[in-house]
Amino acid sequence: QKEVEQDPGPLSVPEGAIVSLNCTYSNSAFQYFMWYRQYSRKGPELLMYTYSSGNKEDGRFTAQVDKSSKYISLFIRDSQPSDSATYLCAMSGANQGGKLIFGQGTELSVKP
Amino acid sequence: KAGVTQTPRYLIKTRGQQVTLSCSPISGHRSVSWYQQTPGQGLQFLFEYFSETQRNKGNFPGRFSGRQFSNSRSEMNVSTLELGDSALYLCASSAGLAGAAGELFFGEGSRLTVL
Repeated sequence: QKEVEQDPGPLSVPEGAIVSLNCTYSNSAFQYFMWYRQYSRKGPELLMYTYSSGNKEDGRFTAQVDKSSKYISLFIRDSQPSDSATYLCAMSGANQGGKLIFGQGTELSVKP
Repeated sequence: KAGVTQTPRYLIKTRGQQVTLSCSPISGHRSVSWYQQTPGQGLQFLFEYFSETQRNKGNFPGRFSGRQFSNSRSEMNVSTLELGDSALYLCASSAGLAGAAGELFFGEGSRLTVL
């Protein structure tokens, strides 16, 4: 069993829809939770960064972390065709520096 | 501010050869991490360097090695290439603050094909 599980999709939604992306994990030592977006033939770019449990909002994006359930989510409101990309969750424990454990990534397509 | 620069962007090698990939981090960043990305395994951590010292290592064989120079630039080397080493190799830099997971900034990667 992988430390981080993420449904690879693909996920196809119409423009304007609310998108929900999720990851589950097994390592209770994880304290830092991130969402990255990766466009085709590009490197991942950081979207959201959260420490411990709680919610964080940035524009159309909301990240939620529930450590008791070992479950994290990313919500995208009013999705746009430009949001079409692969979304990767990533996690890390304390003192791990640049060592992140990534989910498999969910491929999202937003249709005009 | 310039981003993370990786060279070469694409390369083709044959089995048994070796390859060296280069990474220039964002100015001021002292930590460089390397990842391998494949369709089957996703993104997997190779190693991290901070101030010329390896700070973390993933579960890869000894054929994979790296180093960091005093200007924070980093190289990774793969010796005795195998078909399974075909992948996108990503470099990421961060400020490298101790005690916290770094906010990593990735380059566009070096795509290696082993024939």
